[in-house]
Amino acid sequence: AQSVTQPDIHITVSEGASLELRCNYSYGATPYLFWYVQSPGQGLQLLLKYFSGDTLVQGIKGFEAEFKRSQSSFNLRKPSVHWSDAAEYFCAVGVGYALNFGKGTSLLVTP
Amino acid sequence: DAGVIQSPRHEVTEMGQEVTLRCKPISGHNSLFWYRQTMMRGLELLIYFNNNVPIDDSGMPEDRFSAKMPNASFSTLKIQPSEPRDSAVYFCASSLEQLRNTEAFFGQGTRLTVV
Repeated sequence: AQSVTQPDIHITVSEGASLELRCNYSYGATPYLFWYVQSPGQGLQLLLKYFSGDTLVQGIKGFEAEFKRSQSSFNLRKPSVHWSDAAEYFCAVGVGYALNFGKGTSLLVTP
Repeated sequence: DAGVIQSPRHEVTEMGQEVTLRCKPISGHNSLFWYRQTMMRGLELLIYFNNNVPIDDSGMPEDRFSAKMPNASFSTLKIQPSEPRDSAVYFCASSLEQLRNTEAFFGQGTRLTVV
């Protein structure tokens, strides 16, 4: 069955430090992969998506993600985290018409 | 465009009462999704509409849940009767054509509390 795993439930980083959020997927075919961010009390906003082509994908707010087929991973990165990046991050795989979401990673940014 | 609009943002109701959640998708989008978010289960797809027709309702938990899309600009999710375990955040999302070629836009959600 198709699934998405985000191994880290919580991550804490200092403002200005680099960030990497992990995502592993299980899917038989070429996956369609997404990262969404959810700020407290808000809906989900798309950060970036991978359908095909270049395996390094650029998104909004300075985020990027790299698709690695050999590792079944789609990790999200940012070189320098801002306090406003504190939020819940969800990795998702497109399965047909719907999205299968991971359980999310909560990011805390310290001064 | 104002994005996907959901109402109400918060709903507190007593067990046994009927609850109706509303969604206005983005104009021109022909796919609509209802998701439920809980701490235990994360984000789950409840039902998917395409061109106002329910295509997949396999995620609807039980018969107490029902969803309608009478036209392209409005959808409802109804719970009757409501139970405390229905407490969750319910999201509506819409997209254009097949998901693979586009992104799903989410509303801000309705936080439902059943006491």
